[in-house]
Amino acid sequence: NAGVTQTPKFQVLKTGQSMTLQCAQDMNHNSMYWYRQDPGMGLRLIYYSASEGTTDKGEVPNGYNVSRLNKREFSLRLESAAPSQTSVYFCASNDFAGGMNTEAFFGQGTRLTVV
Amino acid sequence: QQQVKQSPQSLIVQKGGISIINCAYENTAFDYFPWYQQFPGKGPALLIAIRPDVSEKKEGRFTISFNKSAKQFSLHIMDSQPGDSATYFCAAIHSNFNKFYFGSGTKLNVKP
Repeated sequence: NAGVTQTPKFQVLKTGQSMTLQCAQDMNHNSMYWYRQDPGMGLRLIYYSASEGTTDKGEVPNGYNVSRLNKREFSLRLESAAPSQTSVYFCASNDFAGGMNTEAFFGQGTRLTVV
Repeated sequence: QQQVKQSPQSLIVQKGGISIINCAYENTAFDYFPWYQQFPGKGPALLIAIRPDVSEKKEGRFTISFNKSAKQFSLHIMDSQPGDSATYFCAAIHSNFNKFYFGSGTKLNVKP
């Protein structure tokens, strides 16, 4: 029972490089989310996907793109990394049906450093 | 604009003491208020949650108090233990939307 799996766990990028963070969940959840966590800022929503085939911007979408590849997978892409994107990134998933949100499950996080 | 404001940013409590973390929100449409616990190097995990139709929910040593008129809710950890040392996040959700709005987090350190 893996839950939410993120890869990679750690990554160092040079400014201007691109990369994709991968996320997969095995709980058959409809909704998936990408958050970044910075000291004193809590968890800020980057993008979310309410269901397969849909994506929407969160609080801090600039510099990121996402793809909901299928119901299981939701990837986050940095096209041209900047030092301000140094952060810990979390993927989460939950179900949202009948107007009710259920518990969100989080992955272990990806620690990204942009130099 | 921060949807959920959380305080304090850090908290030190002696073993056996009571830890209290407070959150406030503005949007009266929020109708689900979970608390998440995060240990170093791990993702947040649901600790306890409350809906605004009740004023208090207790699970073991953890209690949420909810004040709908003041738009505030708090987490109380009774008989705090060193194993409770973690970062705690409050959150608020509107059932018609898919977005979790998180507070800025409280780092709790329980001294033995």
